[in-house]
Amino acid sequence: QQPVQSPQAVILREGEDAVINCSSSKALYSVHWYRQKHGEAPVFLMILLKGGEQKGHDKISASFNEKKQQSSLYLTASQLSYSGTYFCGNSGGSNYKLTFGKGTLLTVNP
Amino acid sequence: DTGVSQDPRHKITKRGQNVTFRCDPISEHNRLYWYRQTLGQGPEFLTYFQNEAQLEKSRLLSDRFSAERPKGSFSTLEIQRTEQGDSAMYLCASSGQTDTGELFFGEGSRLTVL
Repeated sequence: QQPVQSPQAVILREGEDAVINCSSSKALYSVHWYRQKHGEAPVFLMILLKGGEQKGHDKISASFNEKKQQSSLYLTASQLSYSGTYFCGNSGGSNYKLTFGKGTLLTVNP
Repeated sequence: DTGVSQDPRHKITKRGQNVTFRCDPISEHNRLYWYRQTLGQGPEFLTYFQNEAQLEKSRLLSDRFSAERPKGSFSTLEIQRTEQGDSAMYLCASSGQTDTGELFFGEGSRLTVL
């Protein structure tokens, strides 16, 4: 089943924080986060594995609650370059076949 | 440029025509994937190759769709007798032998069926 993302869209001013949520109705093996800018390819942000640690780089981090089958992406002190559509994808046991959510459109304004 | 490249980037065709898309993955990557993306949606898995072997096909891939990766390098995705519902962005991705989970996507081939 397709994971459900919320919110569908969010508008921020530069420097503000945002949280994007991703939930699934089926047991998750891993959660994958990608960002896609308009007209460009999706770009990998991070993967969270069942039983793994919270991941992050720069001011973007994520958590994975296996019990609730949820993941959240945290964007801290957002920059203009963070604008884009964020997708979470889940896999049932292998990393090649991902089911992506509909995405969250993030707009960061000056 | 050593990323995933796709050709053509845009294709406009009439209903009923056949179209073929090509994907050149990152050279050392043995895994290749095709996804389809429509407006307002995330990418949908179509098929997966490990080297030249097609290991899985989605139910979305009707018998009008065929994908090949003859020498384990580039791949082609052919759509026969196109329908308006085939209009979408067709994304190719590749990944290496080390299963980091990271997919490297190409910029896609946009198909418009009139």
